[in-house]
Amino acid sequence: GAVVSQHPSRVICKSGTSVKIECRSLDFQATTMFWYRQFPKQSLMLMATSNEGSKATYEQGVEKDKFLINHASLTLSTLTVTSAHPEDSSFYICSARDQGMSPLHFGNGTRLTVT
Amino acid sequence: AQSVSQHNHHVILSEAASLELGCNYSYGGTVNLFWYVQYPGQHLQLLLKYFSGDPLVKGIKGFEAEFIKSKFSFNLRKPSVQWSDTAEYFCAVNAGRDDKIIFGKGTRLHILP
Repeated sequence: GAVVSQHPSRVICKSGTSVKIECRSLDFQATTMFWYRQFPKQSLMLMATSNEGSKATYEQGVEKDKFLINHASLTLSTLTVTSAHPEDSSFYICSARDQGMSPLHFGNGTRLTVT
Repeated sequence: AQSVSQHNHHVILSEAASLELGCNYSYGGTVNLFWYVQYPGQHLQLLLKYFSGDPLVKGIKGFEAEFIKSKFSFNLRKPSVQWSDTAEYFCAVNAGRDDKIIFGKGTRLHILP
């Protein structure tokens, strides 16, 4: 079945540094990728929708200059958390779909800890 | 705007008990509905989905969900739960031309052995 690979699974960084998270679709072309953030004991929060070759669409309240999303190819999207702060510590999950209304395939998530 | 409500945040059941997790959504038009499950330490997996047709949808691992349009609901059910069903369950809705899928807050299910 379709697989979405997300890397790294865990990252610890110092406050003020930037972190890049990669999301790859391994056996299908992901025309659309989504980035979610999961706060402890809360739901997944959609951060942005990324379509290959175009600018990402950010949800209200998500800082586009802080969370840079690049969807350069049909199999790769990256999320860069710039100038990370401790409040950015969270679990980030990407998902992808190949076309239309097909279900999402999820990556394993990335646990980001900013010290 | 679309929204999804899961009323039960934390459910504790004994093995063999029956399960029903509530999910309501707000959108007046055509919807696609999903239930996802996240087992401890694992990533999200699709349990079942509804696009059209029979409103009673059967998924993996003995789960089913019923779409009741008049109630804007898509409740998840399982007649007899197992300890291995301990997980977090998310209801999600995709509606209209919007490409987004919106998730509910999730229900943490704990099955006592």
